[in-house]
Amino acid sequence: DAGITQSPRHKVTETGTPVTLRCHQTENHRYMYWYRQDPGHGLRLIHYSYGVKDTDKGEVSDGYSVSRSKTEDFLLTLESATSSQTSVYFCAISESKLKLYFGSGTQLSVL
Amino acid sequence: GESVGLHLPTLSVQEGDNSIINCAYSNSASDYFIWYKQESGKGPQFIIDIRSNMDKRQGQRVTVLLNKTVKHLSLQIAATQPGDSAVYFCAETLSGNTPLVFGKGTRLSVIA
Repeated sequence: DAGITQSPRHKVTETGTPVTLRCHQTENHRYMYWYRQDPGHGLRLIHYSYGVKDTDKGEVSDGYSVSRSKTEDFLLTLESATSSQTSVYFCAISESKLKLYFGSGTQLSVL
Repeated sequence: GESVGLHLPTLSVQEGDNSIINCAYSNSASDYFIWYKQESGKGPQFIIDIRSNMDKRQGQRVTVLLNKTVKHLSLQIAATQPGDSAVYFCAETLSGNTPLVFGKGTRLSVIA
C-alpha cells in the first residue's frame, strides 16, 4: 500500500476512552489525510495535513483531532470515543493533492 | 472493511463481458476525476484519472469517459475478470484546492 502503515489494524475500546490511530509513511509525501468509511456514506474526510504542523478540518471533524510533528507521521485522536465513531479509518498520502494513496485501514469498534 | 458493501448499488457481470460503472458528480467546477477500486478488507487502490480537458482516457483494460455537460463519469472495464470484483468509487476535486470528494460506490460482482 504505497509505503503507508496504519496502526493498529483493529481496535476495540469503550465509550469515553481516548484513542489514537497512527499513520506512518515512507514516501516523503507532503499531504496526508484521514478518512472514515461507513455503510451508506462512502469515504468522508476527517482532517488533512499539508505539511508538518499544518492541518485543516474536513467534512466530519467533530470529535477528532490530529497532529503531525514529522513528515512521516500523522496521528488521529478521538479524545473521548463514542459509539458513532465505530468505523473503518483510512489514512491516505499524496504528493499532489490529486492522486491519493491509501493505507490498509483500521477497524475501530467503540462499545 | 466487510461492511463497506452494504447499501451499495450492485452491478453483476458475466466473466469476459465488459462492465460499465457510472458516477454522477456534484460540482460542475470540478476539473479532476479519479476512480478507485476497493477489495474486501483493503484500502482503495487507484485505477485511473482524468482531467476536465479530456473526454476519454484509456488504461490497461479500463477506460474512463467524462461528460461534463451532464456531470457524468463512467468507468469501462474490458473482458471483466473475477479479480475485478470489488467496490468502485469515483472522486472529484477542483484542481486539488478542495479535498477529493468521493461518491458512495458501486459493487461489481463478476459471475464466473
